[in-house]
Formats: sequence, structure tokens, C-alpha cells
Amino acid sequence: AQKITQTQPGMFVQEKEAVTLDCTYDTSDPSYGLFWYKQPSSGEMIFLIYQGSYDQQNATEGRYSLNFQKARKSANLVISASQLGDSAMYFCAMRELPHSGAGSYQLTFGKGTKLSVIP
Amino acid sequence: GAVVSQHPSRVICKSGTSVKIECRSLDFQATTMFWYRQFPKQSLMLMATSNEGSKATYEQGVEKDKFLINHASLTLSTLTVTSAHPEDSSFYICSAGPGRSNTEAFFGQGTRLTVV
Repeated sequence: AQKITQTQPGMFVQEKEAVTLDCTYDTSDPSYGLFWYKQPSSGEMIFLIYQGSYDQQNATEGRYSLNFQKARKSANLVISASQLGDSAMYFCAMRELPHSGAGSYQLTFGKGTKLSVIP
Repeated sequence: GAVVSQHPSRVICKSGTSVKIECRSLDFQATTMFWYRQFPKQSLMLMATSNEGSKATYEQGVEKDKFLINHASLTLSTLTVTSAHPEDSSFYICSAGPGRSNTEAFFGQGTRLTVV
């Protein structure tokens, strides 16, 4: 089974509107972290936002917020007031803390969602 | 500035030659670095985990003799693609941790390798 599922291969949003990118995850570990990255056409991975499994509140970073629903195992990214520069691939990723403690920053990525902002 | 620097950003090499890609953590010591590979329009797939001072751990299906990883210091890991073939053409990207906070994993800028 996939650990990270992003069901939207592509999304369109009008400039200045809000958009939600879906992400569901699968883990049996109680301790994990969820990340969202933006990858523009240049290829670099830009960290956007992080949510820890024990965090009580949804994470927010500027125009980015994470709608964390732990019981449903979903961690959707909400981008408010979309800008043309938001057009990119967006990846949801999960970090599970291995029992041995090694490789604790290894991330598992979803397939990504290509967001296109329309002027 | 970038926390993790990867070099080169683009490289074209002839089939049969070797290519070395460097990944440096600039303002923190990275005991662990990760190497990912990304084919066009696909996700990042972990190739190997590089631990400072010890052998790298490779994911299933990744040839360790073809993708040589060296992590000789706390700020530098290298990936060498040996005897490159056109099917090795891909986007390679490294990440390092822990960073300044436990909630971030920083990535290099990536290297686009083309084997002709």
C-alpha cells in the first residue's frame, strides 16, 4: 500500500483564489511528521510547511496552512490568495521515526500534484 | 542562502564515463544525507542513505557498485554514477538532516544528469 497518496495529478486555480491540495497517508507509528514541498520547473525542493503527529493545532506558514485530520489520516495543503508564482509541482511527504533511530530524516513522497494558477 | 548546496546543477556526459555529484551542508553538520532520484513527471525515489563515516545504506533495486556514495565529513556527501548509461539520465537530489530544527529537511538544488 502506498504510504502517501495524492489523488490529484493536476489542479487549476484562479489567481487570488484559495486551493486545497489533498494528501492522505498510511502509517501505524504514533510518531511521524508530514511535510509539503513545492518544486518549480527548476527542480529545487522548497520546504513549505510541517505538521507533527502530536501537534494539537494545524500548522500555518503565511499563505500556507495544513488541514490536519489525524483520524482520517489526511494532511491537505491549503494555499490562500493564489499567485501566478505558485504554479509548480507540490509534494506531500511523511517522515516516520524508525525504531532504531537511524535515518530519521528519510522522507517518503507522494506522486505530486501539478498546480496551475490562471490569471 | 541555501542550507544545502549541490553541485553541479547540470551535467552532460558520455556513455561509459563516471560523474560525481557533491552535496554540502553549509551551516550545520549533517550526520545523515539522503540521495533521491526523480524521473520526469514522477516523484522522488530514495536511492540511499549516506551516514558520515560509515557505508551507505541502499534501497532495494539500487546498484551500490554503480552509484557510489561517500560521506567522508559531516558537511559533504558525494554520489558517483559509474560507467554511466543513457538510462541513468535523471534528476538527482540530495537532502540533509538534522537541520536547524527537527521539523525541516533541507534539499540541495538538484543535478540534472544527461548521458549521451
